[in-house]
Order: sequence, then structure tokens, then C-alpha cells
Amino acid sequence: DTEVTQTPKHLVMGMTNKKSLKCEQHMGHRAMYWYKQKAKKPPELMFVYSYEKLSINESVPSRFSPECPNSSLLNLHLHALQPEDSALYLCASSHLGLAGATSSYNEQFFGPGTRLTVL
Amino acid sequence: DAKTTQPTSMDCAEGRAANLPCNHSTISGNEYVYWYRQIHSQGPQYIIHGLKNNETNEMASLIITEDRKSSTLILPHATLRDTAVYYCIVRSRSNDYKLSFGAGTTVTVRA
Repeated sequence: DTEVTQTPKHLVMGMTNKKSLKCEQHMGHRAMYWYKQKAKKPPELMFVYSYEKLSINESVPSRFSPECPNSSLLNLHLHALQPEDSALYLCASSHLGLAGATSSYNEQFFGPGTRLTVL
Repeated sequence: DAKTTQPTSMDCAEGRAANLPCNHSTISGNEYVYWYRQIHSQGPQYIIHGLKNNETNEMASLIITEDRKSSTLILPHATLRDTAVYYCIVRSRSNDYKLSFGAGTTVTVRA
């Protein structure tokens, strides 16, 4: 199984709502990532979890709250979002640790994303 | 991590080789060149990476110049399904986590 799944595929929410995005992988990866991608722009890293602990937060506003309940699951809790937060939210996972120079061991596998619209 | 420069867009004929250039003139000795692509409405997909030697896998070939300041991704027989945004990323071995995507090249394969 080399797949990262994300639910839901689409989400529309108001600025006062609380919602969650879910990501799951069963590849034994111990690093998981959240990226945000605005229309016609490249993905931007938001958070990195390694061994279920938050290791990188790219100065993301607190209205985005990540959670990694176990090694296969990654959630992104959303609260009091703004319309400018509308974007494609991508989850990715990878192995950890350095590998040989030509090994693709550390490649990141991406899910299809959740397209979020904030009204 | 070093920045990269790629053409904004390029067209390619189906069945022909597509050669995608990338400049990374400030690359340092411990930095690798990675290529990912993103097909419309999908997440990015890893293609290939290399340090200084040319690399080939089932998807593509990566040619890195001797001074490592530029590289070319080669899709040997482009198909319509190769239409995507292709990202060239320079990444150090000590920075296992971050993928810093640039603007990429939008490649359109035409029949």
C-alpha cells in the first residue's frame, strides 16, 4: 500500500465553524506533513511531525491545530478560519533518516488533498 | 536550501522526449537535486533525485552538469498523462524534512 488518503475531498465551512481534515497512511512512515497550496501557487509547508511529535511549525496561525494521534494518522483541526485560508490542503508522509545518495527512501508521498473553501 | 530557476512553461509533442531545464547556481556540496511533478487536481509525485551523477529510473532521467549549477529532467517518451507542473527542488541531506517548492514548469504534452 503506497497510498496517502485524505478526507474529505472537499469542505466548505463558515468562519465560525470548527472542522477537521484527516490524513492516513499505512506505509510505516514516521514523518507526516501538512502543506497548503493556494490556486496556481506551489505547495507551502505548514507542519512536520516525526515520531508523532511536532517537529516543525512554519509560523502557522493558531487557528490551524495539527494532531498526530498515532503513526498512521494526521489531523488538522480548523477553527475561526478566514476566507483567505481557502486552499488545497495536502498531506504527505515519508520515512525518516538519511539514506544512500541515490536511494528514494526518503521521498515524500502526497495525498490528493482536501479542497477547503471558507465562506 | 539553494533556490532554483525554471522556465514558466513549455510544450512537448506526444511521443517525443521532453527536456526540462533547471538552474541552481548556488547549490552547495551537500545538496541534492530533486524533481517532483503535480498533475492537475492531484498531490505532488516524486520523480527522481541525484547528487552529481546522472540518474535514471522508470519515469525519467536526470542529467546534472559537472559543475552542478544546472540539471535537466528528461521524460524519454512524453505522453498526454505527463502534462503537469514539474518542480525542481534543491535539498540538503541534513534537511530531511523540508521540500521548498518553487514556481515550477507547466509542461503541456500535445497530441
